[in-house]
Amino acid sequence: AQSVTQLDSQVPVFEEAPVELRCNYSSSVSVYLFWYVQYPNQGLQLLLKYLSGSTLVKGINGFEAEFNKSQTSFHLRKPSVHISDTAEYFCAVSDRVYGNKLVFGAGTILRVKS
Amino acid sequence: DAGVTQSPTHLIKTRGQQVTLRCSPKSGHDTVSWYQQALGQGPQFIFQYYEEEERQRGNFPDRFSGHQFPNYSSELNVNALLLGDSALYLCASSFVGGSDNEQFFGPGTRLTVL
Repeated sequence: AQSVTQLDSQVPVFEEAPVELRCNYSSSVSVYLFWYVQYPNQGLQLLLKYLSGSTLVKGINGFEAEFNKSQTSFHLRKPSVHISDTAEYFCAVSDRVYGNKLVFGAGTILRVKS
Repeated sequence: DAGVTQSPTHLIKTRGQQVTLRCSPKSGHDTVSWYQQALGQGPQFIFQYYEEEERQRGNFPDRFSGHQFPNYSSELNVNALLLGDSALYLCASSFVGGSDNEQFFGPGTRLTVL
């Protein structure tokens, strides 16, 4: 079984500042890793995913994440945030071995202030 | 290309009633997964349908059931509604032959149980 822990429930940050949203996971098998964004009253949009290969993954809207196998982490970063990045961000894992059901963390609300 | 669509957008029911939610997958996708997202939480996997059969199931009671039709669309049925069933229900579709395990999410159905 897998589990995901998002270490911060809310992250306030000023516009144009860098941000890191932290995610740790636990799994007995190899996993795929994802970050999704959810704007108010909307569904989930994929930001980026790690399947294999380079541990630094670039996604949409200037976001990137780094897979660290030894620390079982997949932290999301952006060098300069915009007001429009205000949303809830979810880290998720899926089993490489069987099926593609997603196990999500509890989410991190990113609040960008002007 | 239409993405994943869900209906209805919002629904209000009373305790003990039954509800049916509907999902049409993204064009070319053959697998549908359902997730429940309670307020302030991450989505929780309910079940997944492929080839009109339930392929995986999360930790949800038998009151939650589903169906997949030959055109790959799907329904989620919940019987004997409880107040705790109030949530955003998300449908996600994917292609079983895909190599990246990516799921595409619909906008969700907001269910309120009074």
